[in-house]
Amino acid sequence: EPEVTQTPSHQVTQMGQEVILRCVPISNHLYFYWYRQILGQKVEFLVSFYNNEISEKSEIFDDQFSVERPDGSNFTLKIRSTKLEDSAMYFCASSREGNSNQPQHFGDGTRLSIL
Amino acid sequence: QQQVKQSPQSLIVQKGGIPIINCAYENTAFDYFPWYQQFPGKGPALLIAIRPDVSEKKEGRFTISFNKSAKQFSLHIMDSQPGDSATYFCAASGASGGSYIPTFGRGTSLIVHP
Repeated sequence: EPEVTQTPSHQVTQMGQEVILRCVPISNHLYFYWYRQILGQKVEFLVSFYNNEISEKSEIFDDQFSVERPDGSNFTLKIRSTKLEDSAMYFCASSREGNSNQPQHFGDGTRLSIL
Repeated sequence: QQQVKQSPQSLIVQKGGIPIINCAYENTAFDYFPWYQQFPGKGPALLIAIRPDVSEKKEGRFTISFNKSAKQFSLHIMDSQPGDSATYFCAASGASGGSYIPTFGRGTSLIVHP
């Protein structure tokens, strides 16, 4: 069964540094998402992306965050200047459609640790 | 109004027991209610989902009960097994403002003892 893959599985970064998290969505999916899960808390939506542009974003997704689809397969989340509170699991997800209740398929996440 | 409240936070049952996890929502525009199962070190995986036009949906040992008037829904796991030990998240989404982004509950950590 096709999967969403994320790299790296664990990223350790100094506060203030830039970090890029990478995702390869399922190949025939058109909608892509990033979520974050702070340890022990619920999954929180960050941003959705379709047709090479952001379709929706939450208040968490401020100017420090950006997303990009640099080629036909990768989908990246960049945090420009990391803060301690950015430490969390970051999940990428994809779905075939975004304008109906299509299931989202999640990757296994990247654990981001900010020192 | 976008919140989904989930309880209990943790649950321990013996093998064969029937754990029940409850969720409540406020936004009446929600019209899709998925449950996700998350094992340690893994991402959430869709387990089962229901729409408000039915009151119950069953897939294998997993059943969702839905009470539209009370704005509540619950997950029942029949004949629970140690392999069911995981964190379970309820979620809700709908066409409010054109958004189908799910709002997640806080999660329930389930442990099934052998």
